[in-house]
Amino acid sequence: LAKTTQPISMDSYEGQEVNITCSHNNIATNDYITWYQQFPSQGPRFIIQGYKTKVTNEVASLFIPADRKSSTLSLPRVSLSDTAVYYCLVGDMWQTGANNLFFGTGTRLTVIP
Amino acid sequence: DAGVTQSPTHLIKTRGQQVTLRCSPKSGHDTVSWYQQALGQGPQFIFQYYEEEERQRGNFPDRFSGHQFPNYSSELNVNALLLGDSALYLCASSYYSGSDNEQFFGPGTRLTVL
Repeated sequence: LAKTTQPISMDSYEGQEVNITCSHNNIATNDYITWYQQFPSQGPRFIIQGYKTKVTNEVASLFIPADRKSSTLSLPRVSLSDTAVYYCLVGDMWQTGANNLFFGTGTRLTVIP
Repeated sequence: DAGVTQSPTHLIKTRGQQVTLRCSPKSGHDTVSWYQQALGQGPQFIFQYYEEEERQRGNFPDRFSGHQFPNYSSELNVNALLLGDSALYLCASSYYSGSDNEQFFGPGTRLTVL
């Protein structure tokens, strides 16, 4: 069963690039890596998903090495509104019967003015 | 277009009681997953419903059960409530694709068990 490990917290100044790494040593062949953002008293919000190599969208990039045992979420030029908890989720939500959707404990990112 | 909605927003129950939480998925979505999020923790997967059947289940006891209706809405039932069941219960919807793992989460129902 893939489980994830992330740093508990990170601080960054506005305008900097932030990289959050998630370790998932037991990732399975069919597992995807998905990152979510969560603000207090709200449900998580999808940021980006990948399987291998690099994925980029309008808000973030996701880097996945060849062995897929870790992944790095990159947020370019963060702003105060990016202060939130970021979760790495590893699993395949379409695999019938399997208990394989794991959120980590999350990384609390604080953006400083 | 409404996103995922959940009801009620907050709920207070006592130990041993039963509770039913409700979720309406985002328009066009046919799959609903439920998560439990304790304070300060990440969401823990409870189960997933598609075509009115439970497709996946996490490590939760049988006290946790669910249902999906023909209109894709879903209910989460918890029997014999324990103090440890106090948490934020999140519903997430998605469209079955077999590959895309993007889920849309609702705001959650805050359950307090006294």
